[in-house]
Amino acid sequence: EAGVTQFPSHSVIEKGQTVTLRCDPISGHDNLYWYRRVMGKEIKFLLHFVKESKQDESGMPNNRFLAERTGGTYSTLKVQPAELEDSGVYFCASSQESKGNYGYTFGSGTRLTVV
Amino acid sequence: DAKTTQPNSMESNEEEPVHLPCNHSTISGTDYIHWYRQLPSQGPEYVIHGLTSNVNNRMASLAIAEDRKSSTLILHRATLRDAAVYYCILRDVRGGGADGLTFGKGTHLIIQP
Repeated sequence: EAGVTQFPSHSVIEKGQTVTLRCDPISGHDNLYWYRRVMGKEIKFLLHFVKESKQDESGMPNNRFLAERTGGTYSTLKVQPAELEDSGVYFCASSQESKGNYGYTFGSGTRLTVV
Repeated sequence: DAKTTQPNSMESNEEEPVHLPCNHSTISGTDYIHWYRQLPSQGPEYVIHGLTSNVNNRMASLAIAEDRKSSTLILHRATLRDAAVYYCILRDVRGGGADGLTFGKGTHLIIQP
């Protein structure tokens, strides 16, 4: 089975520009998560979709970040306008269930550099 | 999710077993113990999880203390490809609450050839 796929793998943008990251979860996985690691910090949870609904967006840093999952398939994470502190690696994960007895499958991440 | 404590780093030799410890003294009865690892330039990778009994899969074994306040991830025969940061994470079986995994600093495993 195909894994979790993220596009692009790398993105370099200027401060103030807009960037959209995409995640394609494993087919049939209703649960989709976004995480990020900024330089020198731990991996942090951003938000959780169940199908097309946002189940938990407590980790979203501010309103410059907008996540969508139209139709409950792939998801996008838009940063507008990007700031220098948004640089980092953004990971997407998916799982069959959200409960604690299921593992998650992560994508390889998108490395975002804001200059 | 309850907090876990892991050593910052460990070193082992190739083809030898590796025991990665994790303390979770405040674990609740409904918390599963999960292990993930992150290889360089890759996303985290699920390794194994368990609740009370020891677990084995093709990647590793998980030994859980009888009081569940600690656990050990066992790589039976380490290879250079096992060099990664290993994370011990607790997840409530009921789900809910904050939905995301709480990654700490993990243990940086170094494998010497």
